Amino acid sequence: SAVISQKPSRDICQRGTSLTIQCQVDSQVTMMFWYRQQPGQSLTLIATANQGSEATYESGFVIDKFPISRPNLTFSTLTVSNMSPEDSSIYLCSVKRLAGGPGGELFFGEGSRLTVL
Amino acid sequence: TQLLEQSPQFLSIQEGENLTVYCNSSSVFSSLQWYRQEPGEGPVLLVTVVTGGEVKKLKRLTFQFGDARKDSSLHITAAQPGDTGLYLCAGEWEGSNYKLTFGKGTLLTVNP
Repeated sequence: SAVISQKPSRDICQRGTSLTIQCQVDSQVTMMFWYRQQPGQSLTLIATANQGSEATYESGFVIDKFPISRPNLTFSTLTVSNMSPEDSSIYLCSVKRLAGGPGGELFFGEGSRLTVL
Repeated sequence: TQLLEQSPQFLSIQEGENLTVYCNSSSVFSSLQWYRQEPGEGPVLLVTVVTGGEVKKLKRLTFQFGDARKDSSLHITAAQPGDTGLYLCAGEWEGSNYKLTFGKGTLLTVNP
């Protein structure tokens, strides 16, 4: 298993500001991902956080809006930039260990609930 | 981007009833997973299916993977209030680079 700590767990922010969410894993992992879960919705993948290089973003998400860092195998940050009320959501860090085939378990943090006024 | 259809989106039943949740795609999954999420928590893995026709049981939960690996179902027998939560199917496809795509989820409420 993997224990994932995310902070902040929740925050209320003003429109136009930026917030950085931190994700710390208790062991080295190969894959780290950032998901967004809007109220009452499922999870949408924002990007794959790559160690030491630029993140790989999914369609509809761009680096200027969601800059991501991953300096090592156990830590990553996601910044939500120039926030608007539409960014109000839960942001989830997740990790996966690759076990030589499909179907590796995805472990999630508890999420960071962001409200933008 | 691969699409994964999950139904129903909402389900409210009485304790003791049975229910089935469905998940399907037009493409072949290399693996499919079912997660359960409670309020304020991240999703937690229930099961992974990889082989076509596979059936797995987890107490009162039965998971089936279609022979063609394009669909899956979750059946709960004699539902209990503790089963209440958001059930999510998530799939990997060939070439998805280990990324999971999640279905829209099924919000299950089991009333005492």
